[in-house]
Amino acid sequence: SQQGEEDPQALSIQEGENATMNCSYKTSINNLQWYRQNSGRGLVHLILIRSNEREKHSGRLRVTLDTSKKSSSLLITASRAADTASYFCATGGAQKLVFGQGTRLTINP
Amino acid sequence: NAGVTQTPKFRVLKTGQSMTLLCAQDMNHEYMYWYRQDPGMGLRLIHYSVGEGTTAKGEVPDGYNVSRLKKQNFLLGLESAAPSQTSVYFCASSPHWGEITEAFFGQGTRLTVV
Repeated sequence: SQQGEEDPQALSIQEGENATMNCSYKTSINNLQWYRQNSGRGLVHLILIRSNEREKHSGRLRVTLDTSKKSSSLLITASRAADTASYFCATGGAQKLVFGQGTRLTINP
Repeated sequence: NAGVTQTPKFRVLKTGQSMTLLCAQDMNHEYMYWYRQDPGMGLRLIHYSVGEGTTAKGEVPDGYNVSRLKKQNFLLGLESAAPSQTSVYFCASSPHWGEITEAFFGQGTRLTVV
């Protein structure tokens, strides 16, 4: 079974609002990563947070990690129409990168 | 810099036919992966390789074989295609610094088995 599970599966918000996606995982990790996939394209790496970190920022992205709850969240602030995509969390171990099922985010103009 | 290149981009196979998907990376990455993506299932790991000449099974390896004869190439083979293998296949590569960091993805191969 897959390591990560994203919640919600789909999210639709208005442009300018903040979007929050959550990821839960099952086993211990070295790091947790978030990726973005535009329709019909490959995945693109957004941000990586290590197991000893609690929060990380990159531009309009904010990621938190709670290893005690085995969960992470991705916040996109001041959303734009171009943020419409699917977002995946992935847990990085020593050899494998295992993905969750993704959250489909739609930003309405 | 091409990054990760997958060929072909589209393919239609008849049940029972065989084919090989090619993944090439020019970033000198040690690690390479093959995933399949199905609606509502996210990405599932088929096989992966931690270096030239080595391969390992992922979550869903049945019906697939792989080879990594050269560091830059990772081949995924379907010996006898089945309709259940209709999917979008993604190859990825990653550097390794004691842990898996950023993975770079190809554009995908859309395979239909009829």
